[in-house]
Amino acid sequence: GQNIDQPTEMTATEGAIVQINCTYQTSGFNGLFWYQQHAGEAPTFLSYNVLDGLEEKGRFSSFLSRSKGYSYLLLKELQMKDSASYLCAVSDSNYQLIWGAGTKLIIKP
Amino acid sequence: IAGITQAPTSQILAAGRRMTLRCTQDMRHNAMYWYRQDLGLGLRLIHYSNTAGTTGKGEVPDGYSVSRANTDDFPLTLASAVPSQTSVYFCASSRQRAVVDEQFFGPGTRLTVL
Repeated sequence: GQNIDQPTEMTATEGAIVQINCTYQTSGFNGLFWYQQHAGEAPTFLSYNVLDGLEEKGRFSSFLSRSKGYSYLLLKELQMKDSASYLCAVSDSNYQLIWGAGTKLIIKP
Repeated sequence: IAGITQAPTSQILAAGRRMTLRCTQDMRHNAMYWYRQDLGLGLRLIHYSNTAGTTGKGEVPDGYSVSRANTDDFPLTLASAVPSQTSVYFCASSRQRAVVDEQFFGPGTRLTVL
């Protein structure tokens, strides 16, 4: 079967750095996405990785290791508005997105 | 319209009733999707459409049907609602399906079936 694992919840302090991990087992791999979802809202695109390595976009970076079936999302200089759920999704061999259950990130002052 | 709209925003429905959730996009995207999101589970694909006139089944299609008469609209119908269909439903679109492409999501419909 296909499976995406991420921690259910994490807590971090404003101004700090947090790393959200995602491991996956899927039928094929055509890339990995990270989305942000604020409570009661729609998911919005954050990043996409298809090759191994780190992709940096402002305060957010995403890393991929295809051989390990592993990715992480790194958030720096945390702000209160970063409190949200972060969804990891893998595009499988049929280009269908397989989604993790999401990691709820709580930012404390 | 800018992006994807969904209607209604929320609905309470009696079991056994028929319900259509509406989805419209103005981005001229070829591919459209319907997902359901339940607490503790990832988004699950119900149905998708690669282009106008075609539809396909996703991971959890039972009890749902879709149509794609034109590029912009992609309604989802529950023929006879059951309580297990209580969920938040998201419509999404992307430029193409058979390539890796960012999906854009509508604001969602919160459906409660009693």
